[in-house]
Amino acid sequence: NAGVTQTPKFRILKIGQSMTLQCAQDMNHNYMYWYRQDPGMGLKLIYYSVGAGITDKGEVPNGYNVSRSTTEDFPLRLELAAPSQTSVYFCASSTGSSGANVLTFGAGSRLTVL
Amino acid sequence: GQQLNQSPQSMFIQEGEDVSMNCTSSSIFNTWLWYKQDPGEGPVLLIALYKAGELTSNGRLTAQFGITRKDSFLNISASIPSDVGIYFCAGPRAGGTSYGKLTFGQGTILTVHP
Repeated sequence: NAGVTQTPKFRILKIGQSMTLQCAQDMNHNYMYWYRQDPGMGLKLIYYSVGAGITDKGEVPNGYNVSRSTTEDFPLRLELAAPSQTSVYFCASSTGSSGANVLTFGAGSRLTVL
Repeated sequence: GQQLNQSPQSMFIQEGEDVSMNCTSSSIFNTWLWYKQDPGEGPVLLIALYKAGELTSNGRLTAQFGITRKDSFLNISASIPSDVGIYFCAGPRAGGTSYGKLTFGQGTILTVHP
């Protein structure tokens, strides 16, 4: 099992560019999440999904979009990148019901917007 | 909104020393989670607590769910160099079903000198 795989690990974008962060899990988890981590801060929830075809906003969704066409994949789209989106992005997954809060995280994608 | 405050923000200790850190909130939590993040990696779950007053151990780690449900504590005994990292407390956000929508503390950075 690879767990949660994120690509790319590092990326530099110019202001106004767009890109997609990829996330895939092979644990057959229904729930998937995107968090961002800024220096000296805890993680903040961007978007989450409770199953294929279902997504919803988290705490800091502005400037991002997601889709969930399969159980395995949960890509995060950045449109019109801004310096405020410079951060480390973590994808995570979990099982449902009682296991929903036990998250398995990917290794992260470090994004810099210049 | 919900906030989790961790203290201390950082700790510098000698190998073999015991470590204590805590997490407090102005809101009640029904679940407390402690994660560790190694440099360049995503957080990994250490201990999950589900009941007020609960005391749970995982090897040299012991965590407690505060009686008031507004705090939690993590202790590490006989620290070793591989304990280095950032320790986060987390809990499900209020409102509706949690679905792994976690609020994170800002983290405690632990450095262990050999």
